[in-house]
Amino acid sequence: DAKTTQPPSMDCAEGRAANLPCNHSTISGNEYVYWYRQIHSQGPQYIIHGLKNNETNEMASLIITEDRKSSTLILPHATLRDTAVYYCIVRVVIRDFGNEKLTFGTGTRLTIIP
Amino acid sequence: GAVVSQHPSRVICKSGTSVKIECRSLDFQATTMFWYRQFPKQSLMLMATSNEGSKATYEQGVEKDKFLINHASLTLSTLTVTSAHPEDSSFYICSAERGLAKNIQYFGAGTRLSVL
Repeated sequence: DAKTTQPPSMDCAEGRAANLPCNHSTISGNEYVYWYRQIHSQGPQYIIHGLKNNETNEMASLIITEDRKSSTLILPHATLRDTAVYYCIVRVVIRDFGNEKLTFGTGTRLTIIP
Repeated sequence: GAVVSQHPSRVICKSGTSVKIECRSLDFQATTMFWYRQFPKQSLMLMATSNEGSKATYEQGVEKDKFLINHASLTLSTLTVTSAHPEDSSFYICSAERGLAKNIQYFGAGTRLSVL
C-alpha cells in the first residue's frame, strides 16, 4: 500500500516558489518524511527530511503539519534546473539498528516554465 | 553532500554475457548499499540491500543467482547481471547510506544497460 500521495504533475513559473504537497495520513510516530528528486536519466538526489519540525537547508524548506498527516516541500526560487520528478517518502529510522528501506512511489513531475 | 560513484554509466552487451556494475562511496564509509532498477516511465524498485561482509538481502521476485551482489569493502559494492537477456535492459541505480546519525541515502548516477 502506498504510504504517500502526491499529485502526478505540477507546473511552476521560473523564479517563483514551487510548493509540492504530499499526503501521508497514516504516518506513524517514528516515521520521518524524506524528499528526493530525480532529474531525467540521473540517480535520485536527496533534498531534505524531517520528523515533525519544519526544516530548511540550502536547497529547500519542508513544512510538516502539526498532525503530521501532510507536508509541503518548498523550492523558494525555482529555476529551470529544478525540473524533475519529486518523491515524498515516509520511512522509519532506527538508530544503531539500520533503517527501513526507501520505497519510491510515482512522485510529482515538476516542470519549471520559463 | 556525499558522493557515490557508479560505473559504467552505460553498457551495451550481447545476450548471454555478464555485466558488472560498480558502486563506490567516495568520501564516506557505507556499511549498507542498495541496488535499484528503474524501467522507462516507472519509479525505482529496490532489488537488494547489500551489507558489507555479509550476504545481500534480495527483494521478493528478484533472482539472487541472476543478480549477484558483492559488498567486499566499506566503499565498494558490485552488481553482476549474469547471462543477461533483453528483458534485463533497464536503468540500474545504487545508493549508499551515510552513517547512523543522518540516515540519508546518496545515489549514484545510474547505469543504463542495453542487452541486444
